Amino acid sequence: KAGVTQTPRYLIKTRGQQVTLSCSPISGHRSVSWYQQTPGQGLQFLFEYFSETQRNKGNFPGRFSGRQFSNSRSEMNVSTLELGDSALYLCASSAGVGSQETQYFGPGTRLLVL
Amino acid sequence: AQSVTQLDSQVPVFEEAPVELRCNYSSSVSVYLFWYVQYPNQGLQLLLKYLSGSTLVKGINGFEAEFNKSQTSFHLRKPSVHISDTAEYFCAVSGYGGATNKLIFGTGTLLAVQP
Repeated sequence: KAGVTQTPRYLIKTRGQQVTLSCSPISGHRSVSWYQQTPGQGLQFLFEYFSETQRNKGNFPGRFSGRQFSNSRSEMNVSTLELGDSALYLCASSAGVGSQETQYFGPGTRLLVL
Repeated sequence: AQSVTQLDSQVPVFEEAPVELRCNYSSSVSVYLFWYVQYPNQGLQLLLKYLSGSTLVKGINGFEAEFNKSQTSFHLRKPSVHISDTAEYFCAVSGYGGATNKLIFGTGTLLAVQP
């Protein structure tokens, strides 16, 4: 099976712009979670989508949003970018049947905000 | 609320020596426990997880971890490390029996294996 894929892998934006990141889960997986990784804050949960519905949300401002399509692919959007949004954004997929499941991570999208 | 503490930000060790990476957690409910590894410029890969049953869990690449409920710890060990084990290791928890897949991560431990 192909693993989790994320596009693009690298992105440079300027403050005030918006950005959309994409994640394709492993075939058959219905849950997609997003995490932000920074040197200062570490790995932080953004949100999780399951069957096109947001099932859980972390403590991030409303500028961070996401969605999931019927084929389980997910996108996250960050509007009005700030310098502090520079990070590695990771998505993870799983079958979605419970918190005991292994999550499979993609390679991440590295976002640099100038 | 749950939290994870990884006491060591960096652990230097010589090749073929044993290593222990420490992880303590705090939670008002039972949890599932995970160890993930991240190699440079890559995503996270599961090493092992504890769900229930035997407190000694064996994972990939020769790693094992022991769940200690009384000490709320889940330390990762390997009897003999290789250069290729150099990576960042993350301990994580999720709520027991939860419907969602939210993971709470520790701050990570960089394992630096020297020849």
